[in-house]
Amino acid sequence: EPEVTQTPSHQVTQMGQEVILRCVPISNHLYFYWYRQILGQKVEFLVSFYNNEISEKSEIFDDQFSVERPDGSNFTLKIRSTKLEDSAMYFCASSEGAGTGIPETQYFGPGTRLLVL
Amino acid sequence: DQQVKQNSPSLSVQEGRISILNCDYTNSMFDYFLWYKKYPAEGPTFLISISSIKDKNEDGRFTVFLNKSAKHLSLHIVPSQPGDSAVYFCAASSYMEYGNKLVFGAGTILRVKS
Repeated sequence: EPEVTQTPSHQVTQMGQEVILRCVPISNHLYFYWYRQILGQKVEFLVSFYNNEISEKSEIFDDQFSVERPDGSNFTLKIRSTKLEDSAMYFCASSEGAGTGIPETQYFGPGTRLLVL
Repeated sequence: DQQVKQNSPSLSVQEGRISILNCDYTNSMFDYFLWYKKYPAEGPTFLISISSIKDKNEDGRFTVFLNKSAKHLSLHIVPSQPGDSAVYFCAASSYMEYGNKLVFGAGTILRVKS
């Protein structure tokens, strides 16, 4: 069964360093997402990406964050200068992107646990 | 942000019995609802969904009921199995208001005892 994959599974970084989290969405999906879950809190939306551009982003997704689809399979989340409060589990998700206005099921990857020291 | 609420942090059920997980929402614009199951150190796994034009959707042991007037949905698992022990998240979306963004509840820990 097709699945979303994410690398690395764990990442430890120093505050102020840049990190890139990688995702390979399900191959025929066109809509990609990043969510995060801070320990003990809800899963929260960061950004969605469709047709090579951001379609929605939350207030969390500030200038320190960026997303990119560098090739036909990868989807990345970059945090330019990490802060302690960026420590969280980051989940990538994808959906079919069948068309506008149609609710879609999002399929999640296993997550990357980011720890900022 | 309390738009999607799961008021029971945990639920314990005997193997073979019914598990009922509840979810309430406040935003009447939500039109698509999903249940995800999550094991520790894994990502949410999609279980079942329901559109606001329906009041019930069934898939094997899992049934989701939607009561739009009460802004309430529930997930029934029958019969419950020990492998069902996990965290269950309710999520909602409103394309008109949020695009494809999912809004999650806090989750309910289900323990199925054998």
